[in-house]
Amino acid sequence: NAGVMQNPRHLVRRRGQEARLRCSPMKGHSHVYWYRQLPEEGLKFMVYLQKENIIDESGMPKERFSAEFPKEGPSILRIQQVVRGDSAAYFCASSNPWTSRTDTQYFGPGTRLTVL
Amino acid sequence: GQNIDQPTEMTATEGAIVQINCTYQTSGFNGLFWYQQHAGEAPTFLSYNVLDGLEEKGRFSSFLSRSKGYSYLLLKELQMKDSASYLCAVRSYTDKLIFGTGTRLQVFP
Repeated sequence: NAGVMQNPRHLVRRRGQEARLRCSPMKGHSHVYWYRQLPEEGLKFMVYLQKENIIDESGMPKERFSAEFPKEGPSILRIQQVVRGDSAAYFCASSNPWTSRTDTQYFGPGTRLTVL
Repeated sequence: GQNIDQPTEMTATEGAIVQINCTYQTSGFNGLFWYQQHAGEAPTFLSYNVLDGLEEKGRFSSFLSRSKGYSYLLLKELQMKDSASYLCAVRSYTDKLIFGTGTRLQVFP
């Protein structure tokens, strides 16, 4: 009965490199959300996806960031040409509104990205 | 606009009761969640309110007043392990969660 899985747990990149963050939702969950948490700040919504569809990307920066949730495999958050300001904890959450009265989002352990 | 306010820090003594308040002004409301987050870890779900009133769950209770844009989380019989950040989040009509900055609770012996 695995929960939400994220990998890697820690990722170090140099400025200008690409970062790929992966999220496998809880078994039976079809909705995935990505949030970013900067040091000493609250969680900020980035994007909401269902299989093969982006539902809401209103929190995604306009450039360098993209997300996908393919029919098979994990959801991927991709950051191109990383800058120091991208250093943060990135959390993925999943839910299943069809089986949960509350449609609660359950969070993964996060990926801590450090940009040198 | 979207605005969720919680106190930044609170302290309490082991065995005591503490109430963490949250006020919100959001353009849509589809439920309010409380999460607990220990340092360096994932937020874990504590409670959910969508109708006015009190929801009780063991040592934790959560209250909601939609007309006042107000919620609180009540923690009873505090234990040292309750030292953590407590996050108030409003769900929008598009299902995204809007979080406050969190309340860091320190429990002392």
